[in-house]
Amino acid sequence: DAKTTQPPSMDCAEGRAANLPCNHSTISGNEYVYWYRQIHSQGPQYIIHGLKNNETNEMASLIITEDRKSSTLILPHATLRDTAVYYCIVRVLTGTASKLTFGTGTRLQVML
Amino acid sequence: IAGITQAPTSQILAAGRRMTLRCTQDMRHNAMYWYRQDLGLGLRLIHYSNTAGTTGKGEVPDGYSVSRANTDDFPLTLASAVPSQTSVYFCASSRQGIRQYFGPGTRLTVL
Repeated sequence: DAKTTQPPSMDCAEGRAANLPCNHSTISGNEYVYWYRQIHSQGPQYIIHGLKNNETNEMASLIITEDRKSSTLILPHATLRDTAVYYCIVRVLTGTASKLTFGTGTRLQVML
Repeated sequence: IAGITQAPTSQILAAGRRMTLRCTQDMRHNAMYWYRQDLGLGLRLIHYSNTAGTTGKGEVPDGYSVSRANTDDFPLTLASAVPSQTSVYFCASSRQGIRQYFGPGTRLTVL
């Protein structure tokens, strides 16, 4: 699986967009980019995933560069409840169990 | 719909004792997983199961065993607990390999 690199921490003002970057320069053509988040002491929560096209759902948008070597997770209007550790994971999409590798992620602090 | 439940919520265990962490899902997902998370670190995969009757080893399987007798249940057993197994344990499930749903976790302390 491709390795990912994320900044250890970021701050964001409430109501502003939070843009969380992820580098995955060794990604291969059949690997997807997944984002999960973990709010303090809870189990991780799936946010979004994509292959090469930009994706949007009710939680966030995922922007993947054309060369697929990096991506950005965008929370359009961050709230205090978005304070969490955000994990970027690169993995082949399979029809069987997907063994995700969680790094240390980015700790996002949303402030008043 | 409960999703994934784990039991117990927390446990303090003497070293050398046997312990089984329980995990049940009601989503009829084929795949299930066990992760551990040590303080300040990301999650590490212990064991997984593609479907009932099959299991596989993850990144840190030593000292742990699992079984998958049916679709819904995926217990994790520590045959003889050691202090280094003090951690928070998360169970997860997924329909095929797309999106994993996590349980609330079990906080285990081995003294």
